[in-house]
Amino acid sequence: KQEVTQIPAALSVPEGENLVLNCSFTDSAIYNLQWFRQDPGKGLTSLLLIQSSQREQTSGRLNASLDKSSGRSTLYIAASQPGDSATYLCAVKGEGGSEKLVFGKGTKLTVNP
Amino acid sequence: NAGVTQTPKFQVLKTGQSMTLQCAQDMNHEYMSWYRQDPGMGLRLIHYSVGAGITDQGEVPNGYNVSRSTTEDFPLRLLSAAPSQTSVYFCASRSGHLEQYFGPGTRLTVT
Repeated sequence: KQEVTQIPAALSVPEGENLVLNCSFTDSAIYNLQWFRQDPGKGLTSLLLIQSSQREQTSGRLNASLDKSSGRSTLYIAASQPGDSATYLCAVKGEGGSEKLVFGKGTKLTVNP
Repeated sequence: NAGVTQTPKFQVLKTGQSMTLQCAQDMNHEYMSWYRQDPGMGLRLIHYSVGAGITDQGEVPNGYNVSRSTTEDFPLRLLSAAPSQTSVYFCASRSGHLEQYFGPGTRLTVT
């Protein structure tokens, strides 16, 4: 059974710092991995989708990498801003016809001015 | 495009009442799903559908029913509400292996 873990559960950094959020998964037979952002009281917003054949994806100050063989992904946020404060979740989609996404429990990021 | 829409945003029910949470998407996505999100438990899949007329159970299906008569709509029915169903409910949709999009959520309280 696929399990997705995100460590740490919470992270607090000063504004301007570059930071890395981690996501690990137990079964490397994945089709893709998606990073989401969730603001308090809101739904999930998709940030980046990495297909299993890709090593990384970039969008603005965000860069997500994927090492499928080791079961790891990282989300790099450059020059963090207070507006980046949110909970970040990763989710994997398995191979073999499974339609389900398996989610981690998220990392709550606070960027202090 | 409106994306994924959910109604209502908030709902309070008494134990034993039934209700339907509405979900609609205008992106012609074949895959739709319902999750509940509880503190410390993360997102848990309730039911999902891979197309009109096809539904299947997720991790926590008990107490919930779904149907998919059209591509656009995927309602979630609570048959007899219980306090354990107090949660935030999210509907999501996607096309194939592409990005999954979420609705804004419905906050449900069962007293």
